[in-house]
Amino acid sequence: GAGVSQSPSNKVTEKGKDVELRCDPISGHTALYWYRQSLGQGLEFLIYFQGNSAPDKSGLPSDRFSAERTGGSVSTLTIQRTQQEDSAVYLCASSVTSGRSYEQYFGPGTRLTVT
Amino acid sequence: GENVEQHPSTLSVQEGDSAVIKCTYSDSASNYFPWYKQELGKRPQLIIDIRSNVGEKKDQRIAVTLNKTAKHFSLHITETQPEDSAVYFCASGGSYIPTFGRGTSLIVHP
Repeated sequence: GAGVSQSPSNKVTEKGKDVELRCDPISGHTALYWYRQSLGQGLEFLIYFQGNSAPDKSGLPSDRFSAERTGGSVSTLTIQRTQQEDSAVYLCASSVTSGRSYEQYFGPGTRLTVT
Repeated sequence: GENVEQHPSTLSVQEGDSAVIKCTYSDSASNYFPWYKQELGKRPQLIIDIRSNVGEKKDQRIAVTLNKTAKHFSLHITETQPEDSAVYFCASGGSYIPTFGRGTSLIVHP
């Protein structure tokens, strides 16, 4: 079946502008994660959604970052008043959380460049 | 919270050699340990995982070992090939938010 998809694949924006990044998880996956990956760095956790529960926002770096997940499916990550340090690849992942099993399926990422 | 340390950060080997990447974790409640491979410009993909009820798991040229007492687990790649060149991430999860290591860049020289 279809994997996790993200759009856009690339986004160039001017400093100070707002951006929206979209993630379409695998159908039926109840858990959805957003990560940030700067050049040559690891995976920085941003936010986690599980079903209809309140999201875990503990990884969001500032109040300029927010995310929502509508209908338990598609998610949007919004970055307001973008800064140059926001430039990175933003990865989305989904998983079926049954018991302790949660292999994560990653999307291709959105490469954000703030000029 | 959970802390995952991964070593080495860079590993360079000759084709045909073995490669070993090691991770330690801090949360004794963790019971799921996946390894992801990320090729340049691609998304991370699961290559092997292990749960705490087993000590070793193999899949062709890759294997993972787990020592719960010492809280460490390792990825072993035998007979390395140039296409094994990538960044490898370990992760540890006792909750629903896995904690990732910082990654190991494996370079396999032909």
